Amino acid sequence: EPEVTQTPSHQVTQMGQEVILRCVPISNHLYFYWYRQILGQKVEFLVSFYNNEISEKSEIFDDQFSVERPDGSNFTLKIRSTKLEDSAMYFCASMGQVSTDTQYFGPGTRLTVL
Amino acid sequence: AQSVTQPDIHITVSEGASLELRCNYSYGATPYLFWYVQSPGQGLQLLLKYFSGDTLVQGIKGFEAEFKRSQSSFNLRKPSVHWSDAAEYFCAVGALMDTGRRALTFGSGTRLQVQP
Repeated sequence: EPEVTQTPSHQVTQMGQEVILRCVPISNHLYFYWYRQILGQKVEFLVSFYNNEISEKSEIFDDQFSVERPDGSNFTLKIRSTKLEDSAMYFCASMGQVSTDTQYFGPGTRLTVL
Repeated sequence: AQSVTQPDIHITVSEGASLELRCNYSYGATPYLFWYVQSPGQGLQLLLKYFSGDTLVQGIKGFEAEFKRSQSSFNLRKPSVHWSDAAEYFCAVGALMDTGRRALTFGSGTRLQVQP
């Protein structure tokens, strides 16, 4: 069964450094999402992406964040200058058709900012 | 704004016992509702979803959920719990965005422990 994959599973970085989190969505899916979950808190929507552009973003998704689909398979989330409060689990999700309205999630990347 | 409340942070049941996990939502329009499960070190796996029609929906692993509009609830049930069901369970509502697509708003999760 096709699945969403994410790399790395765990990333440790120093405050102020740039990180790129990578996702490979399900191959024929068209809609892509990033969510995050700070330890002990809810899973929160960050951004959605379709047709090579951002569709929607939450107030969390400020200028420090960017997303990109650099090729036909990868979908990345970049944090330009990490802060301590960016430490969280980041989940990528993809969806095939709007009519299904069902998002499939990857296993997540745990980001630790020191 | 939409919200999801899962009143039970942690539930412990005995193997073979029945299970009900509570979920209440707040959303101004017809909700799209989901239950996801997260096992340790795993991603969020979709258990079931409700969009319209029959208010009792069946999912994978023997789970079902019932949508009750009058109570704004979407409780998850299983008649007989297995040890492998121990995980964290998230209820979510799909809120319509300006683009016509939905972003998920999650509850805070319920951690299920299963005793032998």
